[in-house]
Amino acid sequence: KAGVTQTPRYLIKTRGQQVTLSCSPISGHRSVSWYQQTPGQGLQFLFEYFSETQRNKGNFPGRFSGRQFSNSRSEMNVSTLELGDSALYLCASSLGDATNYGYTFGSGTRLTVV
Amino acid sequence: LAKTTQPISMDSYEGQEVNITCSHNNIATNDYITWYQQFPSQGPRFIIQGYKTKVTNEVASLFIPADRKSSTLSLPRVSLSDTAVYYCLVGDGEGAGNMLTFGGGTRLMVKP
Repeated sequence: KAGVTQTPRYLIKTRGQQVTLSCSPISGHRSVSWYQQTPGQGLQFLFEYFSETQRNKGNFPGRFSGRQFSNSRSEMNVSTLELGDSALYLCASSLGDATNYGYTFGSGTRLTVV
Repeated sequence: LAKTTQPISMDSYEGQEVNITCSHNNIATNDYITWYQQFPSQGPRFIIQGYKTKVTNEVASLFIPADRKSSTLSLPRVSLSDTAVYYCLVGDGEGAGNMLTFGGGTRLMVKP
């Protein structure tokens, strides 16, 4: 079966711009979570969506937002990009509670802000 | 929050057994313990999951003592391709939803 698909794989944006990243979860998975990974901060939780509702949110500014569609596909948006937003953004899907079912991660989107 | 603590790095040689221990003092009653492996520029990959005692699959074993305040991932006869970062995860134990906290992970270097 297809894994978690993230698009695009690489992205270069300028400070002040906005960006939208896309994630298609494994078929049947209703939970989609987003993580930011940087060398300095490691993997940090952004938010989780379940059945089109944001169920959990990490400690990120309001410039980071997301949504989930009825087919479970998810997008995250970052507005007014800053240099510090350069990171690998990872999407993970789960059948249910990831502590019990585990996450399946995508390969990520590498965002570079210049 | 169920925070985890792991060694920052470990070195090993090909063919040796590697044990990575994770402490999670605040693990919730219903939480499972899950280990992930991550290679550079890739998303983490599920390795093994357990609740208590011992779990074994084709790539690793997971040992969990009775108090569940720690767990040990055991990789038998490692090879160079096992060089990666290994993360131990437990849930936040504060209700529904996935808000899993990744610790710093353990960077395993396997040498020839």
